[in-house]
Amino acid sequence: EPEVTQTPSHQVTQMGQEVILRCVPISNHLYFYWYRQILGQKVEFLVSFYNNEISEKSEIFDDQFSVERPDGSNFTLKIRSTKLEDSAMYFCASSERQGPYNSPLHFGNGTRLTVT
Amino acid sequence: AQKVTQAQTEISVVEKEDVTLDCVYETRDTTYYLFWYKQPPSGELVFLIRRNSFDEQNEISGRYSWNFQKSTSSFNFTITASQVVDSAVYFCALSGLNTGNQFYFGTGTSLTVIP
Repeated sequence: EPEVTQTPSHQVTQMGQEVILRCVPISNHLYFYWYRQILGQKVEFLVSFYNNEISEKSEIFDDQFSVERPDGSNFTLKIRSTKLEDSAMYFCASSERQGPYNSPLHFGNGTRLTVT
Repeated sequence: AQKVTQAQTEISVVEKEDVTLDCVYETRDTTYYLFWYKQPPSGELVFLIRRNSFDEQNEISGRYSWNFQKSTSSFNFTITASQVVDSAVYFCALSGLNTGNQFYFGTGTSLTVIP
């Protein structure tokens, strides 16, 4: 079964550094998402992306964050200057059609980001 | 406002026991979807089921069953004859027609099945 793949599985970075989290969505999916989960807490929406632009973003997704689909397969999340509170598990997801109400989100295995 | 409440933080059961995970939701949307995801210790989120607000039929899939009741805004999940491999955190999630692409997750219920 096709799956969403994320790399790396674990990233350690120093505060203030830039990080790029990478995702390869399922190939025929058109809608892409990033969610994050601070340890022991619930999964929170960050951003959705369609047709090469952000379609929605949450208040968490401030100017430090950006997303990009640099080619036909990758979908990246960049954090420009990491803070301690950015430490979390970041999940990439994709869906075939618009909105979770039309098709379920398929999540990757996540990237655990640790900011020291 | 969209909100999902999973009041059970942690549950422990002995293998082969049945266990029900509770989920209560709030939404102003008349059209919405409810989901359950499983997060095993390895960390990934595994899709289990999606129900829409117009379909209150309960569903059974193997050892899993779901009870959707709009009258009580609940979407409970039962595992029959639990197994050690069922040990995971289970998340209930909601998406409304007017919430665009966002999922609203509950805080999760950590299930431990003791052999």
